[in-house]
Amino acid sequence: DVKVTQSSRYLVKRTGEKVFLECVQDMDHENMFWYRQDPGLGLRLIYFSYDVKMKEKGDIPEGYSVSREKKERFSLILESASTNQTSMYLCASSSLGGVPSYEQYFGPGTRLTVT
Amino acid sequence: QQPVQSPQAVILREGEDAVINCSSSKALYSVHWYRQKHGEAPVFLMILLKGGEQKGHEKISASFNEKKQQSSLYLTASQLSYSGTYFCGTEGGGSNYKLTFGKGTLLTVNP
Repeated sequence: DVKVTQSSRYLVKRTGEKVFLECVQDMDHENMFWYRQDPGLGLRLIYFSYDVKMKEKGDIPEGYSVSREKKERFSLILESASTNQTSMYLCASSSLGGVPSYEQYFGPGTRLTVT
Repeated sequence: QQPVQSPQAVILREGEDAVINCSSSKALYSVHWYRQKHGEAPVFLMILLKGGEQKGHEKISASFNEKKQQSSLYLTASQLSYSGTYFCGTEGGGSNYKLTFGKGTLLTVNP
C-alpha cells in the first residue's frame, strides 16, 4: 500500500516564524502536491512537483514556497507565517501517468495554527 | 476556477439513495471523486475519463457528461460507512496532472 506521511499532525507557530512542513511518500511517485483545506472552501492546491527540483504553482501559492531535493520528499515552506495561514495542510502523491492523471494518495494532514 | 458541487450537504437514512453533482465551466479530461471521513485523509473512489472509461475501487457508480462538463456520483442503498465529505476533482483546460477540487458535499447516513 502507498504510504504518505507528514512530519507533524499538529503544529503551533508564532506570527513571523519560518515553518517547514515535510511530506514523504514510499511508492516512488513522480508527482507530489501540497493542498490546504479550510472549512467551506474544499481542497485548494498550493504547489505541486512532477520531478525532483521541478515545481509549479497551484491556485494559491502566495506566501508559500516548496522544495523537492529527493524524489520521495516534498517540503512546504512558510517563509514568515501569518495568522491567515492557519489551516489543515494535506500532502498527496501520484504516479506520473500523463493525462488523465492517476489517483492521488493523501497523507494524514498537518493542522497548523499560527498565533 | 473550482467546480461547483451540489448539494452542499445531504442527510440520509441507511438504505436510501443519494446523488452528488459536480459541474465545471471548462473542458475536462477527467473527473476524480474522493471521500474524506471526519479526521481522516481523503481517499480515492474513482476516475471518470473522457470517452466514457471509468476506473474505481468501490461499488459506487458515477457518470460523466463531457458535453455539459458535469459528473454525478450515485450512492445507492447507503450504508453508515458512506458518511463523509465527498469531493470532486476536475482535470482539464491544459492543467496537466493538476486537479481542481470542489468545496465538497457532506453526506450523513443515519441508522
